[in-house]
Amino acid sequence: IAGITQAPTSQILAAGRRMTLRCTQDMRHNAMYWYRQDLGLGLRLIHYSNTAGTTGKGEVPDGYSVSRANTDDFPLTLASAVPSQTSVYFCASSEEESTDTQYFGPGTRLTVL
Amino acid sequence: GQNIDQPTEMTATEGAIVQINCTYQTSGFNGLFWYQQHAGEAPTFLSYNVLDGLEEKGRFSSFLSRSKGYSYLLLKELQMKDSASYLCAVKDSNYQLIWGAGTKLIIKP
Repeated sequence: IAGITQAPTSQILAAGRRMTLRCTQDMRHNAMYWYRQDLGLGLRLIHYSNTAGTTGKGEVPDGYSVSRANTDDFPLTLASAVPSQTSVYFCASSEEESTDTQYFGPGTRLTVL
Repeated sequence: GQNIDQPTEMTATEGAIVQINCTYQTSGFNGLFWYQQHAGEAPTFLSYNVLDGLEEKGRFSSFLSRSKGYSYLLLKELQMKDSASYLCAVKDSNYQLIWGAGTKLIIKP
């Protein structure tokens, strides 16, 4: 692995189903982030983690949860998917949360019907 | 509220120069980033400005004026592969990135 990987690449999901998007990085970065990207809007932060064991809420956290059990993994869970969660989801990481550059994974395209 | 403004779309000719502007109003300022995003791909880092002035990196340059809440990305000697969206983002007082909606740049031969 080099950088950040995300799985799945794309998914079609029925409303009401539970879904976990996976994100793994091998750069030993302390900070990790989940964004959603919708047409005509900027990237919006869902949740973040400044270091393993800690998480925080971003701009649009409702309907999503995260965990950070170790440095490398930062899964995003939709407990009960709704159509408004149809989006492209990007995971990103940076060495520290302060001013460091964020590096992005390839994204997951999620469609909720 | 916090706001990042950039043009929705721009068109330029191969070999020419284009300037993409970004204006921002944020609670605090801890640096401004430019990212490039090709269609269907992830954003990739282009430049970072935290002090006023021009940062040059090959064909790309980025300028910042903190007093005016203004930045631009200058692309020289445009190539077809530069067709992409260019995202402006500002780190606010909480060190969170606030993103503009992006500028789609179309390069014509």
